[in-house]
Amino acid sequence: KAGVTQTPRYLIKTRGQQVTLSCSPISGHRSVSWYQQTPGQGLQFLFEYFSETQRNKGNFPGRFSGRQFSNSRSEMNVSTLELGDSALYLCASSRQGPYEQYFGPGTRLTVT
Amino acid sequence: KQEVTQIPAALSVPEGENLVLNCSFTDSAIYNLQWFRQDPGKGLTSLLLIQSSQREQTSGRLNASLDKSSGRSTLYIAASQPGDSATYLCAVRNYNTNAGKSTFGDGTTLTVKP
Repeated sequence: KAGVTQTPRYLIKTRGQQVTLSCSPISGHRSVSWYQQTPGQGLQFLFEYFSETQRNKGNFPGRFSGRQFSNSRSEMNVSTLELGDSALYLCASSRQGPYEQYFGPGTRLTVT
Repeated sequence: KQEVTQIPAALSVPEGENLVLNCSFTDSAIYNLQWFRQDPGKGLTSLLLIQSSQREQTSGRLNASLDKSSGRSTLYIAASQPGDSATYLCAVRNYNTNAGKSTFGDGTTLTVKP
């Protein structure tokens, strides 16, 4: 069974630009969560989607948004990028019930 | 608000030693607790999942325990090997009407010396 995939793996953007990251969950998993990982703040929860609905949202500004499609694939968007948005963005998928999370390899975003 | 603490932040042991990593959480109303390992620059690999109703889980040389009443979990690694060198993270998933979200500790960075 294929694991969680994330594209692109690496991104370099300039301040003020916007970016879209993609996550394809494990087949059969309908829950997708997004996390931001930085050396200073650790792993922080961004949002969780289930069946195309956002169920939970972390403490991030409105510049961070996401969506989920009918095939459970998810995208997150960051608008008006800031230097502090440089991070490893991780997505995790899980099946309802046990909610054991499986992570993708992450997208390394660098904002210059 | 759930807070998760992992102590120690770093640990260095000689190969073959048994060791224990600790995870503490403040809100005992949890749905599950999951242990992960992360290699530098990589994603997280799931090691063990303990549901709220369980006390421990085992996989090979790894054993994780959960004590909700004291807000603690431990990850026991037997006969450590250099390949075990990584950062170990615990994540607590709280329960609410929408099955919650996960809160992560900052991790314990383990170095196993040959």
